[in-house]
Amino acid sequence: AQKITQTQPGMFVQEKEAVTLDCTYDTSDPSYGLFWYKQPSSGEMIFLIYQGSYDQQNATEGRYSLNFQKARKSANLVISASQLGDSAMYFCAMREANTGNQFYFGTGTSLTVIP
Amino acid sequence: DAGVIQSPRHEVTEMGQEVTLRCKPISGHDYLFWYRQTMMRGLELLIYFNNNVPIDDSGMPEDRFSAKMPNASFSTLKIQPSEPRDSAVYFCASSALARVGETQYFGPGTRLLVL
Repeated sequence: AQKITQTQPGMFVQEKEAVTLDCTYDTSDPSYGLFWYKQPSSGEMIFLIYQGSYDQQNATEGRYSLNFQKARKSANLVISASQLGDSAMYFCAMREANTGNQFYFGTGTSLTVIP
Repeated sequence: DAGVIQSPRHEVTEMGQEVTLRCKPISGHDYLFWYRQTMMRGLELLIYFNNNVPIDDSGMPEDRFSAKMPNASFSTLKIQPSEPRDSAVYFCASSALARVGETQYFGPGTRLLVL
């Protein structure tokens, strides 16, 4: 089974609107972390936001927030007030305590912000 | 602080040649990961090290690939002999501590083209 599933290969959003990128995960480990990374066309991978399995509140970092629904095993990324520079690939990833601390990545979602 | 450093940034070689990719992790980071990214297969974990020791190399495609980490500040990924299907972007990433909340930081990647 896939550890991380991103079902949206591509998304479009109007500039200044909010957009939600979906991520579901599969784990039986009670201790895990969820991460989102951005990969612009230049190719680098940029860490955006982190959510721990024991965190009670949803993580926020500026315009990024993570909609963490533990029972549904989802960790959706919400980008508010989209900007043209947000156009990029976005990857969801998970790190589990009991599997050697490697990272599992989804297949990514390509986001295009339309002016 | 300097981030993860990779060299070379671009490599073009001919089939059958040996290719060596280099990585310097962030100082003090205990984990080092090698990934390969292609359009067809997405982001694949090849191997990762903890304190210079390979922990999981199950993602290494075949015996043509080898990775070493002789010390905490240097790792190599070698392909010998190279084949056109090895063309990809190879990322090195490092992470501090064995804790799920620690993100990994990626280097800029090496774009490899095997002709």
